Amino acid sequence: AQSVTQLGSHVSVSEGALVLLRCNYSSSVPPYLFWYVQYPNQGLQLLLKYTSAATLVKGINGFEAEFKKSETSFHLTKPSAHMSDAAEYFCAVSARRGSTLGRLYFGRGTQLTVWP
Amino acid sequence: KAGVTQTPRYLIKTRGQQVTLSCSPISGHRSVSWYQQTPGQGLQFLFEYFSETQRNKGNFPGRFSGRQFSNSRSEMNVSTLELGDSALYLCASSPGLAEQETQYFGPGTRLLVL
Repeated sequence: AQSVTQLGSHVSVSEGALVLLRCNYSSSVPPYLFWYVQYPNQGLQLLLKYTSAATLVKGINGFEAEFKKSETSFHLTKPSAHMSDAAEYFCAVSARRGSTLGRLYFGRGTQLTVWP
Repeated sequence: KAGVTQTPRYLIKTRGQQVTLSCSPISGHRSVSWYQQTPGQGLQFLFEYFSETQRNKGNFPGRFSGRQFSNSRSEMNVSTLELGDSALYLCASSPGLAEQETQYFGPGTRLLVL
């Protein structure tokens, strides 16, 4: 079974500060991992994904995430927060087997607030 | 390439009614997945269709159903609406051939049940 835990439902940072959003996964098989962002009244937009090609994944808008198998983690970081980063962020997992094609398991989300 | 489109964007219904939501995937994508998003339960998987066949199903009652047409457009139907069905319904499309594919989401349909 696959599941994702996002630690911290709300994170607040000052503009220019480091952003760290935490995600831990549970999967009985090697996972594929995704980070999505959702702005108010919009759908989800992919930030980045891990597909085993490299453990450090770079995404859009300056975000990156590192896959750590020993810690079962896939935390999202950005060196310097911008006001436009304020949104809700979701971590998701997909398993490497055909029975879960088309299905993502999402965490509960982390609301990021950026203070001026 | 045009993105995933969903219609309508907003909908108000009363308890006991039924509703049909529509999703048009990105051209060439054969998989359409549906998710329900609520503040209490988060994002929950409803079902996924690929080439007109339901391939995966989440843990929702039979009041929730869907279908996919030969052009890959998909509809989901909720019968006998309950207050708890108020949610943002998101659909996502992908080629549908591998688990590492990106799912591309539409803007959602916000359903309010009164």
